Amino acid sequence: AIWMTQSPSLLSASTGDRVTISCRMSQGISSYLAWYQQKPGKAPELLIYAASTLQSGVPSRFSGSGSGTDFTLTISCLQSEDFATYYCQQYYSFPPTFGQGTKVEIK
Amino acid sequence: EVQLVESGGGLVQPGGSLRLSCAASGFTFSSYWMSWVRQAPGKGLEWVANIKQDGSEKYYVDSVKGRFTISRDNAKNSLYLQMNSLRAEDTAVYYCARVTIFGVGIVFDLWGRGTLVTVSS
Repeated sequence: AIWMTQSPSLLSASTGDRVTISCRMSQGISSYLAWYQQKPGKAPELLIYAASTLQSGVPSRFSGSGSGTDFTLTISCLQSEDFATYYCQQYYSFPPTFGQGTKVEIK
Repeated sequence: EVQLVESGGGLVQPGGSLRLSCAASGFTFSSYWMSWVRQAPGKGLEWVANIKQDGSEKYYVDSVKGRFTISRDNAKNSLYLQMNSLRAEDTAVYYCARVTIFGVGIVFDLWGRGTLVTVSS
């Protein structure tokens, strides 16, 4: 099984900040990584797949990078609607697995 | 509108059974693999099961094998999860999710709002 380490688990930031979230794999997964956003009481939404490809309709302030074992989700200018929990998901090996999540809260 | 709507959750005793349903609309349901993903209270996401477009292939996470059965009815645009021998650790919000295959694996590009299953005496 592939172990995933997502960090930090909690991130305090202000509107307008640039924030980065890390997702590290126990073994290489090429670029088979997705990112999701989940707001309280709501279903997750797909933001990014193939490590860096934005899903249709996702604002360009979101970006993803990395390959192999280290990946990053960046929000370039945090907006009020971005305060949420973010999950990475690997789809290189079966079963698909998710990181533990990063909660982005208002500072 | 493209959407998934789950139903059927509730409170059930350990060892009991429950059947979840997911109604799909706004897209060609029969063209997609579908999944169930769950989230225990205050925890992260866990993939539970997948089913192929025609129902001919099904896959499960180890912890539910032999207890849960995924199925679908393309004529009714519906996905189901039959859950038997329920345990306390099955307590979670269960999400229905549409699957898109990218390369070697799958991502979940459309999710329902979820239905809560509570297993408790």
